[in-house]
Amino acid sequence: EAGVAQSPRYKIIEKRQSVAFWCNPISGHATLYWYQQILGQGPKLLIQFQNNGVVDDSQLPKDRFSAERLKGVDSTLKIQPAKLEDSAVYLCASSLRWTSATTYNEQFFGPGTRLTVL
Amino acid sequence: GQSLEQPSEVTAVEGAIVQINCTYQTSGFYGLSWYQQHDGGAPTFLSYNALDGLEETGRFSSFLSRSDSYGYLLLQELQMKDSASYFCAVTPLRGSARQLTFGSGTQLTVLP
Repeated sequence: EAGVAQSPRYKIIEKRQSVAFWCNPISGHATLYWYQQILGQGPKLLIQFQNNGVVDDSQLPKDRFSAERLKGVDSTLKIQPAKLEDSAVYLCASSLRWTSATTYNEQFFGPGTRLTVL
Repeated sequence: GQSLEQPSEVTAVEGAIVQINCTYQTSGFYGLSWYQQHDGGAPTFLSYNALDGLEETGRFSSFLSRSDSYGYLLLQELQMKDSASYFCAVTPLRGSARQLTFGSGTQLTVLP
């Protein structure tokens, strides 16, 4: 089974520039997540999609970050304009839809995109 | 809100047993899970506790005590490849959303 695909793997930009990341989740996974992981910290959820609808974007800095999941499959995360503090690894994850409170559907993570903002 | 605390670093020797603790403050959660992340790699799922007690998966075991707001990951027969960061994470009670709130991670170094 193919895993979660992300591209690019690395990106270096200057502050105030724009950047976009792409994610292709595991086939059949209805739920897609974008995380930001700053060096030395745990992943922090930015946005969660269920099919092509947003479930939670409460931690997404909406003045500069945007995300979409057209057709409920691939997703893109954009930063415009980038700041120095956006330097991090951006992880995409997907999971099956939870069907009960006790059934755990693990999240499968992609390799991430390492963003450096200069 | 949720907050999870883990030791930042743990060191052990090959073949030994190591326990990584996780204490948390949360308004309610479905369960506690553990993920492993090698340097430059993706987090991968290790274990999940919905109920109090011990869950065993091969060399790895995880424990949860809701009354003590505490959990741990136990790694037995340590191998060099176990050197990685380990994250505990809760799935908060939040309507239909099933999310993970991660701790800051524990860097495990296994020495020969």
